Amino acid sequence: GDSVTQMEGPVTLSEEAFLTINCTYTATGYPSLFWYVQYPGEGLQLLLKATKADDKGSNKGFEATYRKETTSFHLEKGSVQVSDSAVYFCGSWGSARQLTFGSGTQLTVLP
Amino acid sequence: EAGVAQSPRYKIIEKRQSVAFWCNPISGHATLYWYQQILGQGPKLLIQFQNNGVVDDSQLPKDRFSAERLKGVDSTLKIQPAKLEDSAVYLCASSTGSSSFEKLFFGSGTQLSVL
Repeated sequence: GDSVTQMEGPVTLSEEAFLTINCTYTATGYPSLFWYVQYPGEGLQLLLKATKADDKGSNKGFEATYRKETTSFHLEKGSVQVSDSAVYFCGSWGSARQLTFGSGTQLTVLP
Repeated sequence: EAGVAQSPRYKIIEKRQSVAFWCNPISGHATLYWYQQILGQGPKLLIQFQNNGVVDDSQLPKDRFSAERLKGVDSTLKIQPAKLEDSAVYLCASSTGSSSFEKLFFGSGTQLSVL
């Protein structure tokens, strides 16, 4: 079945550092790919998505590009802020017709 | 716009007891999902409703878990009897439809501890 593998955390960065959180997927066909974010005490929120190969999703300074050749959807941000501290989940929606999540990556940004 | 409402926020029970969680989705959202999130893991889909019908319950442990969505609006997830391994956060989510392009809106979850 579909699966998503995420870079293990936790990740700790200083403010203004560059962020990469790796995500790879296994799926039949070409799934839609997502990043969701969970801020402390809140529910998961959609951060960005891409629905076909080479699409780039972007939001709030975060970006991720759907790479079919490497089955990847890595999340990047050029300059993180303290307010970006949260748990980030990569997800895929494929032939199983359900959203499958990775295990999540805890990000802490220090001032 | 009101978000997805869940209650209770926390619940502590002993094993073999029963427990119920409630979810009220965003108004007008036809699809409702229950996810189980065990500490250190990503959310796992338990059951998906489209209006008041079940679309997918393949990962729901039906010997102890049950869920209903009467009238196609709010939903209840029940565990009876609970086991230690049921300790997790139970997330409810809703969306307007059920395609891969839909954005899911999540509630804050119910944290269950089974002692």
